[in-house]
Amino acid sequence: DIVMTQTPLSSPVTLGQPASISCRSSQSLEHSDGTTYLSWLHQRPGQPPRVLIYKISNRFSGVPDRFSGSGAGTDFTLRISRVEAEDVGVYYCLQAAQFPCTFGQGTKLEIK
Amino acid sequence: EVQVVESGGDLVQPGGSLRLSCAASEFTVSTNYMNWVRQAPGKGLEWISVIYGGGDTYYADSVKGRFTLSRDNSKNTVNLQMNSLRPDDTAVYYCSRSLYDWGRGTLVTVSS
Repeated sequence: DIVMTQTPLSSPVTLGQPASISCRSSQSLEHSDGTTYLSWLHQRPGQPPRVLIYKISNRFSGVPDRFSGSGAGTDFTLRISRVEAEDVGVYYCLQAAQFPCTFGQGTKLEIK
Repeated sequence: EVQVVESGGDLVQPGGSLRLSCAASEFTVSTNYMNWVRQAPGKGLEWISVIYGGGDTYYADSVKGRFTLSRDNSKNTVNLQMNSLRPDDTAVYYCSRSLYDWGRGTLVTVSS
């Protein structure tokens, strides 16, 4: 199975400041079809997860442009340009390049 | 608006069975790959199963041989039959269209 490792696991951030989360996979996430199936999800307390970014850098419908994704191969990053109060919660990276799909451990974003 | 709604969660004794359903709106389950992901209390996300448009299914090792994912095209639903349930199957179970659109989840508690 592909292991997804996120850092940091906890991130206290000041409102209006940037934040970034890294995700490293134990194998390349480039599928044989040439697509890299790496997504980022956000989960607020008591809520279901929702997709922010898919295929490394594509923002899902309705996601603010302060969220961006980058990376290739085995190293990926989610960036928030200016953190807002509604961004608190847990962020997960997810690989769907190979079954079983696997998630990172989650990074808890909190406001200082 | 694309929507998935899970149902069927309940309290069940160890060794028992349960059937979860996922109803789809504004899209056809037979032309999407439908996933189930679960989240144990206070824990991260765990992918458990997928059914492709062609009917192929894949399972996580943790549920293989106990859970069966099927599809009812006439009702536009997917169903997760869970047998030989164990206390560590206790979780909120989420249905997801292509790991993009997620439902609100249904709680399964396995306890005597």
